[in-house]
Amino acid sequence: GAGVSQSPSNKVTEKGKDVELRCDPISGHTALYWYRQSLGQGLEFLIYFQGNSAPDKSGLPSDRFSAERTGGSVSTLTIQRTQQEDSAVYLCASSPGTGGGQPQHFGDGTRLSIL
Amino acid sequence: AQSVTQLDSHVSVSEGTPVLLRCNYSSSYSPSLFWYVQHPNKGLQLLLKYTSAATLVKGINGFEAEFKKSETSFHLTKPSAHMSDAAEYFCVVTGSGGRRALTFGSGTRLQVQP
Repeated sequence: GAGVSQSPSNKVTEKGKDVELRCDPISGHTALYWYRQSLGQGLEFLIYFQGNSAPDKSGLPSDRFSAERTGGSVSTLTIQRTQQEDSAVYLCASSPGTGGGQPQHFGDGTRLSIL
Repeated sequence: AQSVTQLDSHVSVSEGTPVLLRCNYSSSYSPSLFWYVQHPNKGLQLLLKYTSAATLVKGINGFEAEFKKSETSFHLTKPSAHMSDAAEYFCVVTGSGGRRALTFGSGTRLQVQP
């Protein structure tokens, strides 16, 4: 079946612009996660959605970052007034639930480059 | 809090020889542990998972890992490396609490020489 889909696959933008990154999770998966992968920082958690519960935003690095999940499915990560340090690969993952043994399924990521 | 340490940033082996990628974890509770692989410009693919059942876990592509609580280790092995195994490998532990976000090790880049 279809896996996690992310778009765009690559995004190049100028410093100061806003960007939106999209994630389509696997159908039926209630949990959705955003991670950032950057040189020197490895993979870091950003935000988590589970069903209709309030999202866990504890990993967002600044108030320029926000995310929403509409209808419990598609999610959009928005970065406002982008900075060069925002350059990274942004990965989305989904899982059927949040039990400890539930593996997360990852998309191929969006490679964001800030000029 | 939980953490993961991958002891080698790079490992190079010859095709057909065994692979050992080392991982140590720290957790204040019984963790779930995973190994993921990432090929260039791709997302992460699950290789295998440990969730407090059998301590020797078999995964895809001939990989396996053994959970050793006394050593707090979860090393990844494969008897015979293939060229297609060249990739970045991440040892991962689940977080505590409701969200179960993953805590990643820093990764080990595996090179396979012909």
